[in-house]
Amino acid sequence: DIQMTQSPSTLSASVGDRVTITCRASQSISSWLAWYQQKPGKAPKLLIYKASSLESGVPSRFSGSGSGTEFTLTISSLQPDDFATFYCQQYNSFPWTFGQGTKVEIK
Amino acid sequence: QVQLVESGGGVVQPGKSLRLSCAASGFTFSGYPMHWVRQAPGKGLEWVAVISYDGNNKYYADSVKGRFTISRDNSKNTLYLQMNSLRAEDTALYYCAREDSSDPGPVDVWGQGTTVTVSS
Repeated sequence: DIQMTQSPSTLSASVGDRVTITCRASQSISSWLAWYQQKPGKAPKLLIYKASSLESGVPSRFSGSGSGTEFTLTISSLQPDDFATFYCQQYNSFPWTFGQGTKVEIK
Repeated sequence: QVQLVESGGGVVQPGKSLRLSCAASGFTFSGYPMHWVRQAPGKGLEWVAVISYDGNNKYYADSVKGRFTISRDNSKNTLYLQMNSLRAEDTALYYCAREDSSDPGPVDVWGQGTTVTVSS
């Protein structure tokens, strides 16, 4: 199985900060990586697919990059609505696997 | 609008069975692979199973293989998860999820989830 490792697990930041979350795969997944945002009590929401493609309706302050085994999610200017938990997920092969999550908290 | 609505969750004793359902609307259900993803209380997301658009191909997480069965009825626009021999560690919020139509694709639509609690 492909293991996905996110860092950091928790991140404290202020409104307006640039935030970067890293996701590493235990083997190459090409660009078959998605990023999701989850708020408490809600279902996850797709932000980025194919490593760097922005899902329709998602603000342009979110961006993704990487390929192979190293990926990043960047929020260019953190907004109050962005405080949530973020997950990476590989869909290169079954079983699909998720990272353990990164909780973005208010500093 | 595109919608997935899960049902069938509840409290069940260890070793017992439960069947979850997911009613799809607002899109051509028979054209999409469908997944179940779960989330234990306070924990991260765990992929459970997938079924191809026509029901001919299925894959499972090792943690549920041999105990859970995913199925679909395209005439009823409904996805199912039959869960047998339930264990305490199966306690979670179970999400029904649609895979994007690209191949492969990520999950682009999620239901609101149904809660399964396995406890004596």
